[in-house]
Amino acid sequence: NAGVTQTPKFRVLKTGQSMTLLCAQDMNHEYMYWYRQDPGMGLRLIHYSVGEGTTAKGEVPDGYNVSRLKKQNFLLGLESAAPSQTSVYFCASSAQIYEQYFGPGTRLTVT
Amino acid sequence: AQSVTQPDIHITVSEGASLELRCNYSYGATPYLFWYVQSPGQGLQLLLKYFSGDTLVQGIKGFEAEFKRSQSSFNLRKPSVHWSDAAEYFCAVGDLNAGNMLTFGGGTRLMVKP
Repeated sequence: NAGVTQTPKFRVLKTGQSMTLLCAQDMNHEYMYWYRQDPGMGLRLIHYSVGEGTTAKGEVPDGYNVSRLKKQNFLLGLESAAPSQTSVYFCASSAQIYEQYFGPGTRLTVT
Repeated sequence: AQSVTQPDIHITVSEGASLELRCNYSYGATPYLFWYVQSPGQGLQLLLKYFSGDTLVQGIKGFEAEFKRSQSSFNLRKPSVHWSDAAEYFCAVGDLNAGNMLTFGGGTRLMVKP
């Protein structure tokens, strides 16, 4: 039982490049989330999903897209990376109203 | 919109001393409240949660928190801090009307002196 895993762990992009972050969970959770963490700002929600095939915007969705084609996977895409997207990205999952379980994070640097 | 404030950005305590980390929230209904801990370079681990019932909740690693509705607070406490407790601590409030999304405070970094 791996819980929540994230791929990759580190990535460096040039401005304008695109990439996809993959989140996978093996707990059969309905809900999944993508957050970004910046110093002094805690974690801020980017997008979330309440079930397979559904997505919704969080607090800071601009510049990101997501897809939930399979229940166990939640993808976060950056179509044209900007230096402001340099951050640590965390994925989480939960069983409806219960607590969220977090992955180990992906550290992204955009130069 | 809900919000969470953690007034203390950094706290330093001596090993063996007691600890209280402050958390104030703003939420229109009965809040679902959480405390998470993050060690350097790691993800977040749940310490404890409040959904309803007893306002004093016990968590892992000897932590507890008390929900005070009148003060809109959910402070985290530990009677005797260990060096391994040095980490960053986040308070969060959950919104059931929006996919249980969490709104986090800015975090409190705890340092423990030997």
